Amino acid sequence: GNSVTQMEGPVTLSEEAFLTINCTYTATGYPSLFWYVQYPGEGLQLLLKATKADDKGSNKGFEATYRKETTSFHLEKGSVQVSDSAVYFCALGHRDDKIIFGKGTRLHILP
Amino acid sequence: DTEVTQTPKHLVMGMTNKKSLKCEQHMGHRAMYWYKQKAKKPPELMFVYSYEKLSINESVPSRFSPECPNSSLLNLHLHALQPEDSALYLCASSQDPRGQDTEAFFGQGTRLTVV
Repeated sequence: GNSVTQMEGPVTLSEEAFLTINCTYTATGYPSLFWYVQYPGEGLQLLLKATKADDKGSNKGFEATYRKETTSFHLEKGSVQVSDSAVYFCALGHRDDKIIFGKGTRLHILP
Repeated sequence: DTEVTQTPKHLVMGMTNKKSLKCEQHMGHRAMYWYKQKAKKPPELMFVYSYEKLSINESVPSRFSPECPNSSLLNLHLHALQPEDSALYLCASSQDPRGQDTEAFFGQGTRLTVV
């Protein structure tokens, strides 16, 4: 079946460091891929998405590229801020109405 | 308006109580979802409504009863819950349930505590 695997956290970085959170997927067909962010005490917000191979999603300095050959959708940011501290979920969307989430990666940014 | 609004934000209920969670969106979305999220875990899908009809029930206990009165509203009726049902309940909507490339918009959630 369809699944999403993302790196276990927590990830702790200093402000202005480079961030990578790995995400790989298993799916039949051609799913869409998403990164969602959840700040403490809040719901999930869509951070970025990509709907087909080689698409790059970007938002707020975050980027991720849909790599079909490696079935990956890694999240990157060149210079993180304390305000980026949150839980990040990789997810895939499929035609059976479901959105499948990875387990989430907790990110701590130290000032 | 790109919001999904959930009420109440917090709810404490006893195991014999009956309560309802409410969710509303005015984006014209035709798919609406209920998720349950325990601490430090990803959201778990409970129900999907597609064009106001229940399309997915992920084997949720009958003490949770969803209702979709119209295309903008989604309710979750709660009865005889257990303490282990305490969690954050998230509502979400997406534009077209047949379109896999449409993202889901989430509400802020209802923090439910069962005592």
